[in-house]
Amino acid sequence: DTGVSQDPRHKITKRGQNVTFRCDPISEHNRLYWYRQTLGQGPEFLTYFQNEAQLEKSRLLSDRFSAERPKGSFSTLEIQRTEQGDSAMYLCASIPGASGREKLFFGSGTQLSVL
Amino acid sequence: AQKVTQAQTEISVVEKEDVTLDCVYETRDTTYYLFWYKQPPSGELVFLIRRNSFDEQNEISGRYSWNFQKSTSSFNFTITASQVVDSAVYFCALSEDSWGKLQFGAGTQVVVTP
Repeated sequence: DTGVSQDPRHKITKRGQNVTFRCDPISEHNRLYWYRQTLGQGPEFLTYFQNEAQLEKSRLLSDRFSAERPKGSFSTLEIQRTEQGDSAMYLCASIPGASGREKLFFGSGTQLSVL
Repeated sequence: AQKVTQAQTEISVVEKEDVTLDCVYETRDTTYYLFWYKQPPSGELVFLIRRNSFDEQNEISGRYSWNFQKSTSSFNFTITASQVVDSAVYFCALSEDSWGKLQFGAGTQVVVTP
């Protein structure tokens, strides 16, 4: 296992700009999750994919947010017209489809700062 | 609605002391899963344990132990003989579907000094 990989590790942007993050899950992991973590808080669920299908979206995911997993492998999370309130750590995690699903494997996250 | 409460924001101990982290949860489901994750300064969340609601046996893994009590909706975590490497933020989490959609608590920062 090479682990869950996220890119970039850090992103600084100006308010109003669009940003895109990438997540590469562990190979053969069917489910992929996005979470957001603000300072001093626990991660909050945003959305998840089963293969290429996006099966659930949190109410936290406003219209400015869009996530894709086009071929059921890597995923992207795009934020349009960023706001200062979007500043957070964006975490990606994956889980096997069948056995071994008792734990999420997390990436190191993308830290977003909106100025 | 699910809710996880970790009332302790930060705990500071001296190496070799024991430390207990409290976790209280709320759920309407009879089947649910409880987790503990560790987040070291590097930021990557590390899985420690998963418990389902039908298994109230306490568990010990090395210096770590967990006490699950359904009667009080608590799932507490104890680190025995703490070490500096235990310094991290620890999260308790609840899931109703056994997969990856978790409701996390706010976390408890553990600081272990030599």
